[in-house]
Amino acid sequence: DAKTTQPPSMDCAEGRAANLPCNHSTISGNEYVYWYRQIHSQGPQYIIHGLKNNETNEMASLIITEDRKSSTLILPHATLRDTAVYYCIVRDPNSGGSNYKLTFGKGTLLTVNP
Amino acid sequence: NAGVTQTPKFRILKIGQSMTLQCTQDMNHNYMYWYRQDPGMGLKLIYYSVGAGITDKGEVPNGYNVSRSTTEDFPLRLELAAPSQTSVYFCASSYRSGRSDTQYFGPGTRLTVL
Repeated sequence: DAKTTQPPSMDCAEGRAANLPCNHSTISGNEYVYWYRQIHSQGPQYIIHGLKNNETNEMASLIITEDRKSSTLILPHATLRDTAVYYCIVRDPNSGGSNYKLTFGKGTLLTVNP
Repeated sequence: NAGVTQTPKFRILKIGQSMTLQCTQDMNHNYMYWYRQDPGMGLKLIYYSVGAGITDKGEVPNGYNVSRSTTEDFPLRLELAAPSQTSVYFCASSYRSGRSDTQYFGPGTRLTVL
């Protein structure tokens, strides 16, 4: 899986949009961009994923640049419950063997402030 | 759908004791996984299964065993508990297709071995 780079921490005011960046300059053509988050002591939670087009679901939007070397996760109206570590993962869904595992890097600790 | 459920939530074992961590998913997913997460660290894959009757080792399988007799259940067995197995254990499942292998996680089992 391609390596990703994320800022270690970010702050956001409650009710504002949170924009979390991720660099993945070595991404290959078959690799998707996935976002997960982990709220303290809970299981990782899937947020969204995409290949090249922008994606939106009930939780967030994912903006992928045209060259696919970076992406941004957008939480449109952050709440206190969105405080968590956010992980950007790049992987090929057809990969097998040892690539079955999800590799979480250090992620970005997003703190939503009242 | 309940998603991925795990029992128990917490457990304290003495060195040398045995136990089974239960994991059930109701999403008809073909793949299931067991991870462990030590404090402040990332996830490590213990075992995974690509379907009923088929299991394989991940990166840290020593001291653990698994079975997959049904699509829904994927129990993890610890035979002789050791302090090094103190960790939080997460079960996950996914439906792998050519376009997605999104993994959905359970809430975790927090295990302490004394």
